[in-house]
Amino acid sequence: AQTVTQSQPEMSVQEAETVTLSCTYDTSESDYYLFWYKQPPSRQMILVIRQEAYKQQNATENRFSVNFQKAAKSFSLKISDSQLGDAAMYFCAYRSVKAAGNKLTFGGGTRVLVKP
Amino acid sequence: GAGVSQTPSNKVTEKGKYVELRCDPISGHTALYWYRQSLGQGPEFLIYFQGTGAADDSGLPNDRFFAVRPEGSVSTLKIQRTERGDSAVYLCASSKGLVSDTQYFGPGTRLTVL
Repeated sequence: AQTVTQSQPEMSVQEAETVTLSCTYDTSESDYYLFWYKQPPSRQMILVIRQEAYKQQNATENRFSVNFQKAAKSFSLKISDSQLGDAAMYFCAYRSVKAAGNKLTFGGGTRVLVKP
Repeated sequence: GAGVSQTPSNKVTEKGKYVELRCDPISGHTALYWYRQSLGQGPEFLIYFQGTGAADDSGLPNDRFFAVRPEGSVSTLKIQRTERGDSAVYLCASSKGLVSDTQYFGPGTRLTVL
């Protein structure tokens, strides 16, 4: 079974600065998807960024970018120019590409605090 | 609707009671998922529907939990003989159905069992 580990329970960043969140995963599969979701106090999970394992190029979405290291099974998220609205829980998630493997497997989350 | 909706937003019940949680997915989405998120943890998969049938129910913790999706749209998660350990946020998500499709989440139902 796949597992996802987020080793940082909480990270603090100054507004306009950069913060990097760590995520490692364990799988025997060669093709899969990786995601970062944001969960504000409203509870609704919002997709931040996704990465297909077969793509070597790291995904970027505006101020959010990832560092995908397939051999190391590492998938970190970098938030640049942090804004107050970025404060939330962030979850890393894995999904198999197999037809029966549509479920997401989440890590334990990292709380991001943004200081003005 | 524009997004996934879940009702009720909050549910407080007593130990031993029966509860139903409802999920209304995005129109046209054939795949629907239920996850459970305990306090301070990441969501855990419960069950996945493709259309009306449960394609994967391997995450249901025991036979007190059951979910249906009779017409391939709205789904109901049913919990019998609730226990205090069932207290959590229950999240629903939907997608178009392909493995490559993004799952869109609802705001969840916070269940508290006293």
